[in-house]
Amino acid sequence: DGGITQSPKYLFRKEGQNVTLSCEQNLNHDAMYWYRQDPGQGLRLIYYSQIVNDFQKGDIAEGYSVSREKKESFPLTVTSAQKNPTAFYLCASNYRLAGYNEQFFGPGTRLTVL
Amino acid sequence: AQKVTQAQTEISVVEKEDVTLDCVYETRDTTYYLFWYKQPPSGELVFLIRRNSFDEQNEISGRYSWNFQKSTSSFNFTITASQVVDSAVYFCALSLSNDYKLSFGAGTTVTVRA
Repeated sequence: DGGITQSPKYLFRKEGQNVTLSCEQNLNHDAMYWYRQDPGQGLRLIYYSQIVNDFQKGDIAEGYSVSREKKESFPLTVTSAQKNPTAFYLCASNYRLAGYNEQFFGPGTRLTVL
Repeated sequence: AQKVTQAQTEISVVEKEDVTLDCVYETRDTTYYLFWYKQPPSGELVFLIRRNSFDEQNEISGRYSWNFQKSTSSFNFTITASQVVDSAVYFCALSLSNDYKLSFGAGTTVTVRA
């Protein structure tokens, strides 16, 4: 079955530690995205990538880093510089970096920093 | 910059009632795309519909219908004869033809009681 997988579903980390969230897709999509969702708010874009070895900052990139070494994978690292990392993180993808293409989403990772 | 407003934070209805979710958008562009997504308790966003700015025809898909009115910059969503399985957070989003970015509203939580 084609789709987007994110792991783990729940993640707990101590304050000051870096943590990496996994996102894998087997849809052969070119573009991939990371969003952050806080309670009562819509999704905010962290980073996006349209091709391998290239990525761009979104609206709230500070304190996060990404890599795109493979088309299928777009991991997100939440660094200790992120002041308020506790949130729900969603990965998405679509065929091209164009406004008309709907994005497909993974199941999300809920990160809690203790 | 574009903006999407979902003024209704929460809506609670009894099963079989109809429910309408409001979405108002702002953009200076003449070509844009509007989306609705459903987020069930599991967390994954599910794509429901895309509408481009040149197509003002209303659409019906089963119990779901959408009313797009450019004159009022609105793209409202109606669930007819609601069911418990419709309980979710619903997001309206907008993107431009020359841009990748999805701008999300804050979402409306719909609770359908049996």
